[in-house]
Amino acid sequence: KQEVTQIPAALSVPEGENLVLNCSFTDSAIYNLQWFRQDPGKGLTSLLLIQSSQREQTSGRLNASLDKSSGRSTLYIAASQPGDSATYLCAVGTNDYKLSFGAGTTVTVRA
Amino acid sequence: GAVVSQHPSWVICKSGTSVKIECRSLDFQATTMFWYRQFPKQSLMLMATSNEGSKATYEQGVEKDKFLINHASLTLSTLTVTSAHPEDSSFYICSVKQGQGFEAFFGQGTRLTVV
Repeated sequence: KQEVTQIPAALSVPEGENLVLNCSFTDSAIYNLQWFRQDPGKGLTSLLLIQSSQREQTSGRLNASLDKSSGRSTLYIAASQPGDSATYLCAVGTNDYKLSFGAGTTVTVRA
Repeated sequence: GAVVSQHPSWVICKSGTSVKIECRSLDFQATTMFWYRQFPKQSLMLMATSNEGSKATYEQGVEKDKFLINHASLTLSTLTVTSAHPEDSSFYICSVKQGQGFEAFFGQGTRLTVV
């Protein structure tokens, strides 16, 4: 069974600092990996999707890397802003189209 | 990406009653939808896979007679929590997958409180 771990569980940084969020998974036989943002009491917003054959994806200030062999992905958020405050979830997709989620990293960006 | 609408956003019901949650794919036809549950401070857990025109596939430990799923059309899946109890209080959220990359898109979720 796929186990997904996100470290740290919570992170507080001053505005402008870069954020580094880590995700690890136990089974390297993945189809893809997706990063989401979740605001309190809200649904999930897809941030980045990395296919198993890819090493990284970028969108604006966001960059996500994937190292399948070591079972790790990292989400980088450059020049953080208070609006980036949210919970970030990592989800690993398997060939049966299911997603296994980590517990998330709750980020607070202080103005 | 795909637009998924979930209704209601929140609901409070009495113990023993049933509650229906709708998940609609607004801009494309989804043959498969997924239902997740999220308890406070915990991760999302897949409950079941909803397949249009056939029976849903439930994850281990999820009672299919308690959580009834109907996927009668390519744009609508419903989750009915039957004989709800306080321990069923949770955040329920649905998703669809789009494109060859199977990117997942989620609805806004439904906060269920059973009193």
